[in-house]
Formats: sequence, structure tokens, C-alpha cells
Amino acid sequence: EAQVTQNPRYLITVTGKKLTVTCSQNMNHEYMSWYRQDPGLGLRQIYYSMNVEVTDKGDVPEGYKVSRKEKRNFPLILESPSPNQTSLYFCASSPDRGLYSNQPQHFGDGTRLSIL
Amino acid sequence: KNEVEQSPQNLTAQEGEFITINCSYSVGISALHWLQQHPGGGIVSLFMLSSGKKKHGRLIATINIQEKHSSLHITASHPRDSAVYICAVRSPNYGGSQGNLIFGKGTKLSVKP
Repeated sequence: EAQVTQNPRYLITVTGKKLTVTCSQNMNHEYMSWYRQDPGLGLRQIYYSMNVEVTDKGDVPEGYKVSRKEKRNFPLILESPSPNQTSLYFCASSPDRGLYSNQPQHFGDGTRLSIL
Repeated sequence: KNEVEQSPQNLTAQEGEFITINCSYSVGISALHWLQQHPGGGIVSLFMLSSGKKKHGRLIATINIQEKHSSLHITASHPRDSAVYICAVRSPNYGGSQGNLIFGKGTKLSVKP
């Protein structure tokens, strides 16, 4: 089954304790992206990757890191989490990010992070 | 300033009603997406439009490129349609994130039996 898998689904942790949210897709997609969703603000892009070893900042990259060493995986790293990073996070992938792409994005089920 | 505006923010309907959710955008776009977010949080892609109209079951999406406006219609609404519906556009000239999606804040739909 074609899917984007995020882990963990839920995490409660404390300020400053490094954490990683994993994202894996089995569709051989080139483009992957991380979003955060906050009440009243909607979905905002954190980082995206056009292909292996190619990553770029989205609209709200501060406090986050990503890597794309393999095509299928795109982990989101919070080196020193803070309470303002409490949010619902989504990973997504699509075959490409071309301006005229007719491909939809496939979303993971989300990861709810609470930073105390 | 929001490049993508949705209305209404919240919508409550009775089962069977015809529902319309609107999306207006201020940037040039190459495609518009309608997404559905279930109460459990998962997001699925419903439609992708660059012109005209698309239909899938009881869902119809239309777009008017000249007016920079799209609508999502649900016919014969059902409680299982209760979800947040999100409009997103792909723009070739939005900031530095060329081609990335710009999201509206969503419309929360509740259909009562």
C-alpha cells in the first residue's frame, strides 16, 4: 500500500531534549516536505526536499533541521525543542514539485508533539 | 495578509443539505488543491484543479482562474463528511518557495444527522 509513515504519532517531552520525528514513503517520490499545523494559522511549511541531499527552508524553519540521505526518508530533527514548537506535524511527499505538476501530495497521519 | 482565504471558517449543516465552501487567492497559480482533514488528523487530497470543474461522487470542485476563486460543493451531505476542508494553491511567484503549496486556514464542516 502506498503510504507516508510518520513516527511517533504522539510525543510529550521536555524543553531542550533532542528529538527526531521520522518520515518514510514507499512511492519512490522525489519531493518531500514537513509542515506544522497550529490553530488559527493553518498548515505552514518547515522544510522541503527536492531529492536526495537537496533540502531547503520553507516558511518557518527556525529551530528545526532535516536531512535527506535516502530517497524514502526525511527525518525532522528538533535539536533543542521549546514549548513554541508544540504543534501537529505532517510529512508529505509527491512525485515532484514542478510548478505545473499535476500530482497531489500524499500526507502522513501526523505527529502531535507537546513540549513542556 | 493571507494569500489564500477560505470562507466560511466554520459551517454547520443538516444531513442532506447542499454545502459550498469558498476559496479566494491573490497570487498567480499553476494549480489549486482541495484537501480533507479528518477529525483524527489525517489529510487526504480530494482534488487538484488548474481549470474548469472536477467531480468525484458527491463532491464537486470548480475554479475560475480570472476571478481567482474556487468552490468545493458537497451534495446530499452526510455526517461522515464532517471534517476540515483545506484549500491550497501552487504558485510560481510566491516568495522564495517557488512552486510550494500555500495553504488556507481551513473550513471546519459539521454535518448533523
